[in-house]
Amino acid sequence: DTAVSQTPKYLVTQMGNDKSIKCEQNLGHDTMYWYKQDSKKFLKIMFSYNNKELIINETVPNRFSPKSPDKAHLNLHINSLELGDSAVYFCASSQSGVGEKLFFGSGTQLSVL
Amino acid sequence: SQQGEEDPQALSIQEGENATMNCSYKTSINNLQWYRQNSGRGLVHLILIRSNEREKHSGRLRVTLDTSKKSSSLLITASRAADTASYFCATDHTGGFKTIFGAGTRLFVKA
Repeated sequence: DTAVSQTPKYLVTQMGNDKSIKCEQNLGHDTMYWYKQDSKKFLKIMFSYNNKELIINETVPNRFSPKSPDKAHLNLHINSLELGDSAVYFCASSQSGVGEKLFFGSGTQLSVL
Repeated sequence: SQQGEEDPQALSIQEGENATMNCSYKTSINNLQWYRQNSGRGLVHLILIRSNEREKHSGRLRVTLDTSKKSSSLLITASRAADTASYFCATDHTGGFKTIFGAGTRLFVKA
């Protein structure tokens, strides 16, 4: 069983469209994250959630709206996609969120045309 | 702002040689972690060192931490072609919930 799974793996879409990425973890962790990795491999935190509550929002445009229906799921919805949104988006989880290792999903490569 | 800076950006070595990657950070940390990313894959945790530790080993990996210099190094001994990947340092700070990653070192191990 994959510990942190995200779908889809690839997402190709036109500018202006709305899309969602789903993430699920079966590790029983309390904290989940979204990270964005750009073409230079720089990895930047976007959001972190603890027990379904938003803890960190790293000045991400409000076109990005995360939703956590329960602590095992953290989805990312993106409205009005722009060319600059093209990147690989990673979901991750950790036990409590304080000073532990992160478990990453395999990533969603988003290409906005 | 980005917390970690890594050096070198890329490193190419022969199989069997040792590889050393360095990481510097700007503000006080609770711990520092190293991760590995194979091409097209997610990051995998390698090792965590706490701010009160100076050195840690795991198999062929050796990590050092110098909090006075705000720097860490990752040494991979007797490298193998399968070690080819990007390696990232990551830092955790007071308050948690926010692990910040450096820009990574791309390691190429030639067989």
